[in-house]
Amino acid sequence: DIQLTQSPSFLSASVGDRVTITCRASQGISTYLAWYQQKPGKAPKFLIYTASTLQSGVPSRFSGSGSGTEFTLTISSLQPEDFASYYCQQVNSYPLTFGGGTKVDIK
Amino acid sequence: QLQLQESGPGLVKPSETLSLTCAVSGASISRSGYYWGWIRQPPGKGLEWIGNIYYSGSTNYNPSLKSRVTISVDRSKNQFSLKVNSVTAADTAMYHCARRANYGSGDYFDYWGQGTLVTVSS
Repeated sequence: DIQLTQSPSFLSASVGDRVTITCRASQGISTYLAWYQQKPGKAPKFLIYTASTLQSGVPSRFSGSGSGTEFTLTISSLQPEDFASYYCQQVNSYPLTFGGGTKVDIK
Repeated sequence: QLQLQESGPGLVKPSETLSLTCAVSGASISRSGYYWGWIRQPPGKGLEWIGNIYYSGSTNYNPSLKSRVTISVDRSKNQFSLKVNSVTAADTAMYHCARRANYGSGDYFDYWGQGTLVTVSS
């Protein structure tokens, strides 16, 4: 199985901050990676696919990069609605796996 | 607009079978090229992929659950289902259904249901 390790697990930040979350894969997955945002009690929201392509309707302050084993999700200027948990997911091979999540909280 | 809605018992006894249904509206579950999947999330924890079924009927399951899981489709009702047998407290989780679609390079979960909480307890 491909393990995805996210860091940090928890991040405290202020509105306007630049935030970066890292996702490391235990083996190369090319760019078969997605990022999801989840707010409490809600379903995950599909943000980014193929590591760097924004899903339609996702604000441009979100960006993704990386390939192989190291990936990043960056929020260029954190907005109040961005406080949530973020998960990476690989679709390179079965079983599909998710990272452990990063909770972005208000400082 | 595609919508998915999970339904099923919120409480299941240990050793019994958990059965959930995902009703799909806004698109045909038989349309070619799509997967229909289940993902769960224990309280306060991360996401775990359970399995998915392709429009053709072929299935893939997480090996950690494979011997206990069955995903099936009811095309007449435009819905798909999940069964997990021999449940224990470790199966207590929010269960989400989702559509997996091709985005050129990979198939991703783009539409999700709100989820249904299943508690395993006597």
